[in-house]
Amino acid sequence: DGGITQSPKYLFRKEGQNVTLSCEQNLNHDAMYWYRQDPGQGLRLIYYSQIVNDFQKGDIAEGYSVSREKKESFPLTVTSAQKNPTAFYLCASSIDPIGEKLFFGSGTQLSVL
Amino acid sequence: GENVGLHLPTLSVQEGDNSIINCAYSNSASDYFIWYKQESGKGPQFIIDIRSNMDKRQGQRVTVLLNKTVKHLSLQIAATQPGDSAVYFCADISGGSYIPTFGRGTSLIVHP
Repeated sequence: DGGITQSPKYLFRKEGQNVTLSCEQNLNHDAMYWYRQDPGQGLRLIYYSQIVNDFQKGDIAEGYSVSREKKESFPLTVTSAQKNPTAFYLCASSIDPIGEKLFFGSGTQLSVL
Repeated sequence: GENVGLHLPTLSVQEGDNSIINCAYSNSASDYFIWYKQESGKGPQFIIDIRSNMDKRQGQRVTVLLNKTVKHLSLQIAATQPGDSAVYFCADISGGSYIPTFGRGTSLIVHP
């Protein structure tokens, strides 16, 4: 089955630690996105990539980094510079760089120990 | 970019009633609108979309209405079922950005 897979489902971060969230898609989609969701809030864009080997900052990129070395993979690193990382992280993809009809993964809940 | 907002954070309905979820947008350049449904602990799922050259679009039990004059979008769910309980987000895309902007969401609670 085609889809978008995020792992792990739950992740804990210690102070000063970098952690990486995985996002893989086998939909052959060009574009991929990372959103952050806080309780009772909408989705805020962290980074997006419209094509392999290229990515752009979203509205809240500080403290995060990404790479897009392969079309199917778009990992997100939450660095120690992100002082409030506890949130639900959602990865999404779209068939082309125009972000119509996003397909979302099931999310990763990141918490700070 | 400008944000898409929602009028009501929570909507409670009885099973079998029709539900109407509203959304206001402020970007006059927005030309494409999408509704997503997010069940607890899951990622959002696409429900229905509409382009700015339309004012109504129907799907299975859902209808989206677009009023460009007052920059208002609504999602109507007919004969609401307990499985419709979720958070509903509207999002918009303007021709210049190609990146969807999401509103806060409305929590729909369906009572049996």
